Amino acid sequence: AQSVTQLGSHVSVSEGALVLLRCNYSSSVPPYLFWYVQYPNQGLQLLLKYTTGATLVKGINGFEAEFKKSETSFHLTKPSAHMSDAAEYFCAVSQYNFNKFYFGSGTKLNVKP
Amino acid sequence: DAGVIQSPRHEVTEMGQEVTLRCKPISGHNSLFWYRQTMMRGLELLIYFNNNVPIDDSGMPEDRFSAKMPNASFSTLKIQPSEPRDSAVYFCASSSSGAAMGTGELFFGEGSRLTVL
Repeated sequence: AQSVTQLGSHVSVSEGALVLLRCNYSSSVPPYLFWYVQYPNQGLQLLLKYTTGATLVKGINGFEAEFKKSETSFHLTKPSAHMSDAAEYFCAVSQYNFNKFYFGSGTKLNVKP
Repeated sequence: DAGVIQSPRHEVTEMGQEVTLRCKPISGHNSLFWYRQTMMRGLELLIYFNNNVPIDDSGMPEDRFSAKMPNASFSTLKIQPSEPRDSAVYFCASSSSGAAMGTGELFFGEGSRLTVL
């Protein structure tokens, strides 16, 4: 069975500060991991993904995430928050054939001026 | 590519009425997913199709919900009769799945916001 836990349903940071959104997963098979972002009144968009290879993956808009197997984590970071980063972020895990995705409950990021 | 197209974007209906939501996946994608998003329950997978065949419908709430995919370019999610607790945003997503061809990315439509009064 697979599941995803996102710690913190709301995170607030100041503009220019580090963004850290936490994601832990459980998976009985090697996971494929994803971060999606949802802006108001829109669908989800892929930020970045880890399938194989380098464990530090870079995505759009300056975000990156590191797959840590020993910690079963895939935390999302960005060195300097921008006002436009305010959105809801979802971590997801999938099996190797991408037939099913399990999403976390989401973390709403608020960026203060 | 036009992306995943959903209609209607907004639907307001009265309890007991039939609701049909429509989705056109991205051309060439072989998997299609229907999700429901609410404040209380977050993002829930209702059903997914692979090559037009329903693979897992364990997330469909009850018999009032049904989904079809008559061909590779069209899917519907029907609720009959609708109830106020069905109010939510319903998302359709498509992907290229399968170990040989999978890209690992779900492409979401913009959603259909349903309000049942």
